[in-house]
Amino acid sequence: GEDVEQSLFLSVREGDSSVINCTYTDSSSTYLYWYKQEPGAGLQLLTYIFSNMDMKQDQRLTVLLNKKDKHLSLRIADTQTGDSAIYFCAERTGGGNKLTFGTGTQLKVEL
Amino acid sequence: DGGITQSPKYLFRKEGQNVTLSCEQNLNHDAMYWYRQDPGQGLRLIYYSQIVNDFQKGDIAEGYSVSREKKESFPLTVTSAQKNPTAFYLCASSPMIQQGGNPEAFFGQGTRLTVV
Repeated sequence: GEDVEQSLFLSVREGDSSVINCTYTDSSSTYLYWYKQEPGAGLQLLTYIFSNMDMKQDQRLTVLLNKKDKHLSLRIADTQTGDSAIYFCAERTGGGNKLTFGTGTQLKVEL
Repeated sequence: DGGITQSPKYLFRKEGQNVTLSCEQNLNHDAMYWYRQDPGQGLRLIYYSQIVNDFQKGDIAEGYSVSREKKESFPLTVTSAQKNPTAFYLCASSPMIQQGGNPEAFFGQGTRLTVV
């Protein structure tokens, strides 16, 4: 079955890089996603990666996928206070249309 | 503007009452989803639908029901059988992977349900 895990908290200083990690169990995942959630709001899609890719870069965001270890990471370069939020990873499975989310990582950016 | 709309934003329910949360999308997406979010927890899948008149149970379907009579709409009913319904409910939609569409899934702004 699907199980997606993340660490609960991450604290970084403004200007540093943040790395948020995620592990998943379903080897049939087709796409993996990163979402951002600000307080009281819905989820904003940041980026996604196809399961046959190793890396995807989009401006300050870099996604790394290690399919062998079922490990996904999101690196945010030059982290700003506006990046403070909860970050969720998600996998797409079940023939391609079931979306399973992790527990979310609360990122706190300190001055 | 294309998007996904949830209403109402806040909802109060008395114990023992059923309540229906609305989710509408004009993105022409086939797949729609309902999630529940509790403080300090991730999103848990309640139900999802890949096509009109069909839907599948997620991980926590007990006490909930859905319908998919139209492509644009996927309402969620929280029944009196749901023991702890107070939570933040999120709806999402996405193209079907099998159709070769863009795999992006978009969310509504959520409905906060409180049982009083």
